[in-house]
Amino acid sequence: EIVLTQSPGTLSLSPGERATLSCRASQNIGKYLAWYQQKPGQAPRLLIFDASNRATGIPARFSGSGSGTDFTLTISSLEPEDFAVYYCQQRDSWQLTFGGGTKVEIK
Amino acid sequence: QVQLRESGPGLVKPSETLSLDCAVSGGSMKTSYWSWIRQSPGKGLEWIGYIYYTGTTNYNPSLKSRVTISIDTSKNQFSLEMNSVTAADTAVYFCARGYCHDTMCYAAYYDPWGQGTLVTVSS
Repeated sequence: EIVLTQSPGTLSLSPGERATLSCRASQNIGKYLAWYQQKPGQAPRLLIFDASNRATGIPARFSGSGSGTDFTLTISSLEPEDFAVYYCQQRDSWQLTFGGGTKVEIK
Repeated sequence: QVQLRESGPGLVKPSETLSLDCAVSGGSMKTSYWSWIRQSPGKGLEWIGYIYYTGTTNYNPSLKSRVTISIDTSKNQFSLEMNSVTAADTAVYFCARGYCHDTMCYAAYYDPWGQGTLVTVSS
């Protein structure tokens, strides 16, 4: 099973600041990584697929980068609605796995 | 716009079978993959499996022996059955569609998702 480790566990930032979230895979997964956003009481929403492609309707302030084992989700300037939990997910192997999440909270 | 909604019992006894349905509206099922994913405080998000509209399935190897996903495109719904449940199967269960972008639908990225339904395994 491919393990995805997200860091930090919690990120405390103010609106307008830049957020940088990390996801590290236990083995090489190429570009096969997605990022999701989840707000309390809601289902996850796909933000980024194949490491760097924004899903339909996702604002340009969200960007993804990386390949192999190290990936980054960047939110260039946090809006109030961006405070949530973010998960990465790999599709390299058919035991799809998710990371443990990074909570982005208001400082 | 495709919408999904889960339904089924919120309480299941240990050793029995968990059965959930996912109703799909706003689009055809004959275009993508349809998946079940669960979320619990202890295990986080866990992919259960998917079914293609043709009936082809793929399951998480760790759950494969206990899980069946089926589809009925005439009723616009797909279903999950998980047998021999234990307390460890207590979770919020989500159904989701394989994400479609341009002319391609992905089996392993998911959007949209249903709202989720809590299933508790307890006697």
